[in-house]
Amino acid sequence: GAVVSQHPSWVICKSGTSVKIECRSLDFQATTMFWYRQFPKQSLMLMATSNEGSKATYEQGVEKDKFLINHASLTLSTLTVTSAHPEDSSFYICSANPFTDTQYFGPGTRLTVL
Amino acid sequence: QQQVKQSPQSLIVQKGGIPIINCAYENTAFDYFPWYQQFPGKGPALLIAIRPDVSEKKEGRFTISFNKSAKQFSLHIMDSQPGDSATYFCAASIETSGSRLTFGEGTQLTVNP
Repeated sequence: GAVVSQHPSWVICKSGTSVKIECRSLDFQATTMFWYRQFPKQSLMLMATSNEGSKATYEQGVEKDKFLINHASLTLSTLTVTSAHPEDSSFYICSANPFTDTQYFGPGTRLTVL
Repeated sequence: QQQVKQSPQSLIVQKGGIPIINCAYENTAFDYFPWYQQFPGKGPALLIAIRPDVSEKKEGRFTISFNKSAKQFSLHIMDSQPGDSATYFCAASIETSGSRLTFGEGTQLTVNP
């Protein structure tokens, strides 16, 4: 149990376009999901906390207008990178917790912006 | 401010060895300490977790040792195997904060055959 999926697993886009990444909890409901960004050989950086039915909470320094988060249901959160640029290229990972504290992570989405 | 410090940055052991990864935290409000294993191009996978009311927890070949007074915790991997080669992250959270995790910097472990 406690499986989190992401789609797509990788995406290549042109500079200036928008990309949507989906995060789904497959066998549990998640009122809260988290979005992370990870650069090569670095740790995970929390971008925002996604709350079902309300606005996401963004970490300091994360542009909320650039990284749009929508938590449409108890099993789905989406991250849209708007007007993507090469510096947005990164590994994006979501997580969710079916129980208090225990977070389960998705497989990640590799974004490459040309 | 980095609230969870992890060491070493990288670690190489021989098969069968016992790698030890250490983490130290600053915030005494932390009450949940998980360890994650991450392979290249994959998301982190939960290995084992501990709460401050116990000093040690063992699951299979993985053991967490916890020292509340020193604000330190460590991961021991018994009888390490080449398949354990991965990056390991410690983390900490406060239950009442909605499970927001603070991660260590990560340790790249290589187990040679």
